Amino acid sequence: DGGITQSPKYLFRKEGQNVTLSCEQNLNHDAMYWYRQDPGQGLRLIYYSQIVNDFQKGDIAEGYSVSREKKESFPLTVTSAQKNPTAFYLCASTPFAGSNTGELFFGEGSRLTVL
Amino acid sequence: AQSVTQLDSHVSVSEGTPVLLRCNYSSSYSPSLFWYVQHPNKGLQLLLKYTSAATLVKGINGFEAEFKKSETSFHLTKPSAHMSDAAEYFCVVTPPSGNTPLVFGKGTRLSVIA
Repeated sequence: DGGITQSPKYLFRKEGQNVTLSCEQNLNHDAMYWYRQDPGQGLRLIYYSQIVNDFQKGDIAEGYSVSREKKESFPLTVTSAQKNPTAFYLCASTPFAGSNTGELFFGEGSRLTVL
Repeated sequence: AQSVTQLDSHVSVSEGTPVLLRCNYSSSYSPSLFWYVQHPNKGLQLLLKYTSAATLVKGINGFEAEFKKSETSFHLTKPSAHMSDAAEYFCVVTPPSGNTPLVFGKGTRLSVIA
C-alpha cells in the first residue's frame, strides 16, 4: 500500500547527541514536510521541500537539518544545538509542488525523548 | 496574513450527544479550510475540506462543517458523539500562495464520556 513511513516510532537519546529521523514515501509526491508537535501548541513547521535537492526553513528550523537527495526520502536530523528536542515529530507530503490543495498525507510520527 | 483560531483547547461531551468544535479564521482572501483528526500517537488524517463550492461540507465518520463568511467561522459538528471520536482535531487554512505551507490551529482535544 502507498503511504509515508517514519522510523523509528520511539527513540531515546542522551543530551548532546545528534539524532536522525527517517521519512520515506512511495506516493510519488513532490513536496515533503517536517512538523514538530508539543502538547497544546499544535503543529509547527520545521522544514519543507518542494523538489529534490531543495528545501526551505519553516517556523522553527534552528537546531535541525534536512536533506532531499531522493524524491521519496526526507530525513530530519535533530542536532545537539536544538535546546529542547523532546517532542513528537510528524512527516507529511503533498502531491504537487507549488499547488497547495491542503491535503497533507501524514506518517505515523516519531516520538523523541532526550534523557 | 492568514490565521486560524480554535476557540476551545478541550471539549468534553457524553456519548450520544452533539459535538461542536469551533474554528474562526482571519484572511484577506477566500481561503480553503480543512479539519484534520489525530488519534493518540498517530499521524493526522483529513476529515473534510471546504474549497469554495457548497458551504456545508460533509466529511468522514458523520462529521460536517459549515463555512460562514460573514462570521469568518468554520465550526465542526457531529449529531451524536461516539467513543471512537475521542481525538485531537485541527482546523487548517491555506495560505495565499500555493508555494507556502498550510496554517494550523493549535488543536482541540475532544473527550467522549461513556
